[in-house]
Amino acid sequence: EAQVTQNPRYLITVTGKKLTVTCSQNMNHEYMSWYRQDPGLGLRQIYYSMNVEVTDKGDVPEGYKVSRKEKRNFPLILESPSPNQTSLYFCASAHGSLGEQYFGPGTRLTVT
Amino acid sequence: GQQLNQSPQSMFIQEGEDVSMNCTSSSIFNTWLWYKQDPGEGPVLLIALYKAGELTSNGRLTAQFGITRKDSFLNISASIPSDVGIYFCAGQLLATGANNLFFGTGTRLTVIP
Repeated sequence: EAQVTQNPRYLITVTGKKLTVTCSQNMNHEYMSWYRQDPGLGLRQIYYSMNVEVTDKGDVPEGYKVSRKEKRNFPLILESPSPNQTSLYFCASAHGSLGEQYFGPGTRLTVT
Repeated sequence: GQQLNQSPQSMFIQEGEDVSMNCTSSSIFNTWLWYKQDPGEGPVLLIALYKAGELTSNGRLTAQFGITRKDSFLNISASIPSDVGIYFCAGQLLATGANNLFFGTGTRLTVIP
């Protein structure tokens, strides 16, 4: 089954404790992206990757890092999480430069 | 980031009624997409539009890419309870060349049986 998977689905952590949210897709898509979703703000892009070893900032990259060492994986790293990073996070992937992005199930992160 | 104005913010309708929602932007987009998000799930792509003026249907859903490239609308005919959810428009900028999508703030649809 073609899908985007994320782990963990739920995470509660404390300020300053480094964490990684994994994302994997099995569709051989070149493009992958991370979004955060907050009430009243919709989905905002954090980082994206056009292909292996190619990443770039989205709208709200501050406080986040990403890497794209393999085509199928695109982890999101929070080196020192803060409470304002409490949010619902989605990973997405797409073929080439098409706008048709396919989303993972989401990771709900709470930073206390 | 780009601002997409999506309206209405929420709708309460009776089962069987038609629904219309729209999205406008101050920027020109080369792609418009419509997604639906069910509670606890990621957005699911409903319709993709690639040409100004394009009208595309997917079952009871119909979406149009505005001629000015700055707007799009989504219609749902004969609504049913499973249409409940949040509908998002998304636009891809003409100038970027990258796959940056900008999302509207969503329309929350409630269907009353």
